Amino acid sequence: AQKITQTQPGMFVQEKEAVTLDCTYDTSDQSYGLFWYKQPSSGEMIFLIYQGSYDEQNATEGRYSLNFQKARKSANLVISASQLGDSAMYFCAMKESGGGADGLTFGKGTHLIIQP
Amino acid sequence: AAGVIQSPRHLIKEKRETATLKCYPIPRHDTVYWYQQGPGQDPQFLISFYEKMQSDKGSIPDRFSAQQFSDYHSELNMSSLELGDSALYFCASSLKRRYEQYFGPGTRLTVT
Repeated sequence: AQKITQTQPGMFVQEKEAVTLDCTYDTSDQSYGLFWYKQPSSGEMIFLIYQGSYDEQNATEGRYSLNFQKARKSANLVISASQLGDSAMYFCAMKESGGGADGLTFGKGTHLIIQP
Repeated sequence: AAGVIQSPRHLIKEKRETATLKCYPIPRHDTVYWYQQGPGQDPQFLISFYEKMQSDKGSIPDRFSAQQFSDYHSELNMSSLELGDSALYFCASSLKRRYEQYFGPGTRLTVT
């Protein structure tokens, strides 16, 4: 079963609108971390935001916020006031604490295109 | 702020050749991770090192090996290269006690 599911392969959004990118996850661990990364066409992987499973408040970083709903196992990324430079691939990822696992597990990504 | 450094940024090799990718983590970060991202794919975890010891192993082929040196830089050695090894290879670093992993710019390997 997929551990990270991103159901939106692609999205078109008008500039200045808010964007919500969906992410659901599957884990039996009590302690885990959820991440969002941005990958522009140039290829680099840019860390955007992190949410720990025990964090009671939703994480925010500038225009980015993570809507964390633990019972529903969802960790949606919200981008407020989208800009043309937000056009990129966005990956949701998870790090589980069980079994000494170090690596992040990524979803398939959402290709976001901001239109002027 | 200092970021993860990877070299080379681009590499072209022929089938059956070997390649060595280098990674210099963010200063004071003690854990290094390697990921492989094929064209149109999500990154796949290969291997990680903490304090120069292998920490975790993912889907790394037996033809690949890696190590972390005393200055914390890491090298990924790839032998008997195949066409399917063409990918973007990322190194990431973190502090062991923290979850956040910061990625380098990647090395784009093309095998012809």
